[in-house]
Amino acid sequence: DTGVSQNPRHKITKRGQNVTFRCDPISEHNRLYWYRQTLGQGPEFLTYFQNEAQLEKSRLLSDRFSAERPKGSFSTLEIQRTEQGDSAMYLCASSQWTGLEEKLFFGSGTQLSVL
Amino acid sequence: DAKTTQPNSMESNEEEPVHLPCNHSTISGTDYIHWYRQLPSQGPEYVIHGLTSNVNNRMASLAIAEDRKSSTLILHRATLRDAAVYYCILRDFSGTYKYIFGTGTRLKVLA
Repeated sequence: DTGVSQNPRHKITKRGQNVTFRCDPISEHNRLYWYRQTLGQGPEFLTYFQNEAQLEKSRLLSDRFSAERPKGSFSTLEIQRTEQGDSAMYLCASSQWTGLEEKLFFGSGTQLSVL
Repeated sequence: DAKTTQPNSMESNEEEPVHLPCNHSTISGTDYIHWYRQLPSQGPEYVIHGLTSNVNNRMASLAIAEDRKSSTLILHRATLRDAAVYYCILRDFSGTYKYIFGTGTRLKVLA
């Protein structure tokens, strides 16, 4: 168990550019979550997958955001035409959902700065 | 989504017990109470969770009020490494699967 891995750790981009983040969950975890966190706030839910299916997406997530989890393994989060308001820490978490209880394991996040 | 209310910050002396309160007056019968904590520059980590009964694990204890409208996370002997933001979250077992984090309680541990 190597934990949840997120890459890159830091990303600086110019407004209007596209960015993509990757999350590698704990092996065999069937659920994967994406959260966004700004300074002084708690993590804000973006979306989650069960295996390869995207089951829920936050109403706050604009159409510029898209996430995938091909083959139910790693996941990518893409932000198109970035805006300064997208600057935040993007957190990924995975879990093994058994139908009863669940514990989330978070990665260390990708810090995005949009200039 | 059911909401939780926590104090913004608390302080504790090292080696002393810490009681972190959480109010959740709108809790439903199927909501589990989860606690996560976030150390500086890291993602949140699981601490403990419970439904009705008090729970203990190697990290902490969770005391749940009889009416379930409040709970308390207990760190039995605070260390400097326990300085973090602690989040109390209600997790609906039967419905939506997302965890809703509030702003949490920032715990400062004094040496």
